[in-house]
Amino acid sequence: AQSVTQLGSHVSVSEGALVLLRCNYSSSVPPYLFWYVQYPNQGLQLLLKYTSAATLVKGINGFEAEFKKSETSFHLTKPSAHMSDAAEYFCAVSTYGGATNKLIFGTGTLLAVQP
Amino acid sequence: ETGVTQTPRHLVMGMTNKKSLKCEQHLGHNAMYWYKQSAKKPLELMFVYSLEERVENNSVPSRFSPECPNSSHLFLHLHTLQPEDSALYLCASSQDLGGEQFFGPGTRLTVL
Repeated sequence: AQSVTQLGSHVSVSEGALVLLRCNYSSSVPPYLFWYVQYPNQGLQLLLKYTSAATLVKGINGFEAEFKKSETSFHLTKPSAHMSDAAEYFCAVSTYGGATNKLIFGTGTLLAVQP
Repeated sequence: ETGVTQTPRHLVMGMTNKKSLKCEQHLGHNAMYWYKQSAKKPLELMFVYSLEERVENNSVPSRFSPECPNSSHLFLHLHTLQPEDSALYLCASSQDLGGEQFFGPGTRLTVL
């Protein structure tokens, strides 16, 4: 069975500081991994995805994530936070084309950016 | 219209009402999904349709009834709901099952 764990339901950073949102996954087969962002009163928007190509994945809005198989992690980072980054972030795992044809989402991390 | 649209955006209903949520995708995708997002709970997958056939029903109460008349439209029919059903209901679509999902803006449902 697959699962995703997001450490820290709330993260607060200062504007201009490094953003680090943690995600660990469990999967018995090579996973596909995703980060989604949700702004207030909106649906989820894809930030980036890992699909077994390069382990360092760059996404929109300056975010990137690195797939580390040895650590079963896919942490999301951004060098310098903007006020507009305040939102909820969801990590998700899938085995596209495999036995589990669906996304399994983490519980989300709410990012606050302080001026 | 582009992407995934949902109507209405907000809905308030009594426990004896019958209403329907509508989702439409303009992406040519083959799979569509209904999710429930409640405060302080993980995103819950409710139903999955692939090529208009239901492929998953995650133990959802029968007061929620999905309908997928074609690959572009997905409905969620609601009847005799409970206050705990109040949540944001999100629709999503993907090219194929398990792929990247594109989400609509959601319908904020309040059951009185």
